[in-house]
Amino acid sequence: GAVVSQHPSWVICKSGTSVKIECRSLDFQATTMFWYRQFPKQSLMLMATSNEGSKATYEQGVEKDKFLINHASLTLSTLTVTSAHPEDSSFYICSATATSYEQYFGPGTRLTVT
Amino acid sequence: KQEVTQIPAALSVPEGENLVLNCSFTDSAIYNLQWFRQDPGKGLTSLLLIQSSQREQTSGRLNASLDKSSGRSTLYIAASQPGDSATYLCAVSSGNTPLVFGKGTRLSVIA
Repeated sequence: GAVVSQHPSWVICKSGTSVKIECRSLDFQATTMFWYRQFPKQSLMLMATSNEGSKATYEQGVEKDKFLINHASLTLSTLTVTSAHPEDSSFYICSATATSYEQYFGPGTRLTVT
Repeated sequence: KQEVTQIPAALSVPEGENLVLNCSFTDSAIYNLQWFRQDPGKGLTSLLLIQSSQREQTSGRLNASLDKSSGRSTLYIAASQPGDSATYLCAVSSGNTPLVFGKGTRLSVIA
């Protein structure tokens, strides 16, 4: 089956620093990748939709200047949390779709901002 | 705007019991529906994917049904085991669009 990886799996950073999270589709080309955020005991909330070679589409309430998304190739999308603050601490999950429209999810990245 | 509701929010059952988790969605124009499992602090594990043209899918002790016209899906777990304890998420897609998730059902299977 299709595999999506995320790196790192967990990261701790100081307030004010930036953190980059990578999402890779390992054995298929992903035309679209999605970034979700999940707070404790909450469901997944979509942050943005990313298509290769174009600008990401952000959901209402998500700051595009704070959460920078780059989708440079059909197998890699990155999410950079800039000037992170403790309220950005969350579980970030990406997913990728191929032609079947089934979404394959990465294992998630737990971000803790101190 | 699509909304997905899952009932119950939490469920505790003794080992061996059969159980049903419910999912409803407001817009029946979906492409597919997926059921996921999430263990605490972990990512999502896809359990079953039902295309809009299908009525049900089965995998081992799991059976998912879809009634697209009424906006409902159920996940049936037979002979539950303590290892089935997790949060179960239902999500719908309208094609190459983001999945819309329910809030999940937290299942505890007591040995």
